Amino acid sequence: DAKTTQPNSMESNEEEPVHLPCNHSTISGTDYIHWYRQLPSQGPEYVIHGLTSNVNNRMASLAIAEDRKSSTLILHRATLRDAAVYYCILRGGTSSGGSNYKLTFGKGTLLTVNP
Amino acid sequence: ETGVTQSPTHLIKTRGQQVTLRCSSQSGHNTVSWYQQALGQGPQFIFQYYREEENGRGNFPPRFSGLQFPNYSSELNVNALELDDSALYLCASSLDLYTQYFGPGTRLTVL
Repeated sequence: DAKTTQPNSMESNEEEPVHLPCNHSTISGTDYIHWYRQLPSQGPEYVIHGLTSNVNNRMASLAIAEDRKSSTLILHRATLRDAAVYYCILRGGTSSGGSNYKLTFGKGTLLTVNP
Repeated sequence: ETGVTQSPTHLIKTRGQQVTLRCSSQSGHNTVSWYQQALGQGPQFIFQYYREEENGRGNFPPRFSGLQFPNYSSELNVNALELDDSALYLCASSLDLYTQYFGPGTRLTVL
């Protein structure tokens, strides 16, 4: 599995934007970039995913570098509820099933949001 | 729409015992994946079931086994429990390649 590198922790203030970086220099052409987050005492929660173009949804935006070797998850206005561990994950994009379905989690980035 | 549910919430077992954890998939999902999350670590993939057949397995010994039922609910069985099996066990269901929906997990403690 292609590996991702994230900072161990980041800190933000409430109502400010947060940019969470992820490096994935060994990404393959068919790998999708996924972001999940895990709030305290809960299972991981899907945030967003993309392949090449930047993506937006109600939770966040995903900015993908032109060479796809890095990406940034953007929370436009952090709230206390956004305090969580954020995982950047590469996932194969073939339809053959099997291990392409699995998510390979690293340690993620612990985001602290200050009031 | 009912989300992914897991039971029990917490469980305490002793070394050498066997345990069965249960997962009810989100409505309409035909794929279930199980993960083990040790304290302070990210979840680690155990295996996945698609339409009642194992569809991929992580680096876990054979004493970790599973089942998926016709209604797509699932069980994770662990035999001969070891102290290192203490962890949060997460179940995730999905319909497509992209989005896995996780349950709240079962916290297993092995004494």
